[in-house]
Amino acid sequence: QKEVEQDPGPLSVPEGAIVSLNCTYSNSAFQYFMWYRQYSRKGPELLMYTYSSGNKEDGRFTAQVDKSSKYISLFIRDSQPSDSATYLCAMWGYGQNFVFGPGTRLSVLP
Amino acid sequence: GAVVSQHPSWVICKSGTSVKIECRSLDFQATTMFWYRQFPKQSLMLMATSNEGSKATYEQGVEKDKFLINHASLTLSTLTVTSAHPEDSSFYICSARWGGLEEKLFFGSGTQLSVL
Repeated sequence: QKEVEQDPGPLSVPEGAIVSLNCTYSNSAFQYFMWYRQYSRKGPELLMYTYSSGNKEDGRFTAQVDKSSKYISLFIRDSQPSDSATYLCAMWGYGQNFVFGPGTRLSVLP
Repeated sequence: GAVVSQHPSWVICKSGTSVKIECRSLDFQATTMFWYRQFPKQSLMLMATSNEGSKATYEQGVEKDKFLINHASLTLSTLTVTSAHPEDSSFYICSARWGGLEEKLFFGSGTQLSVL
């Protein structure tokens, strides 16, 4: 079993849709959870950073962490064509290395 | 967020030459930087971990003599692709670890290397 699993997509949605991106993980030592957005031929950009279980909202983005289920999600409301990118989940814990999911490619169609 | 600068953005070189890529943390000190390789439509592949003042730690299968990493200061790490060949053509990305109670990784903008 991979340490972090993520639906690779690709995922296509119409503009204005709500997008749900998800990752599951196996290492209970992970405590910090991140979502990165990567445009083609660019470096990943940190979007959301959360600690332990709970929700965090930033504009149209909401990150959810359920440590009991080892499951994290990123929701994008009112999706825009500019949201078209690859989204990577990442996680870290004390004494652990940063681990990335394989990424989900999202296309938001106008 | 913190800024990581990576140069050059793209480079074209002849087979057999060496290419150096720089990664700088502009507004914070990074004791640890990471180098990745990424093929089209694939995820990041960690190549090596670079710690300031010590030798880099390479992932399995990455040739140490081909990919030379130097982390001489708290704000600069370099990756040199030596005797480059067409199969080394790829997108290379660095990241720097921002320390503190909540550690974060910030990425450079990447370097597209094309070896002719």
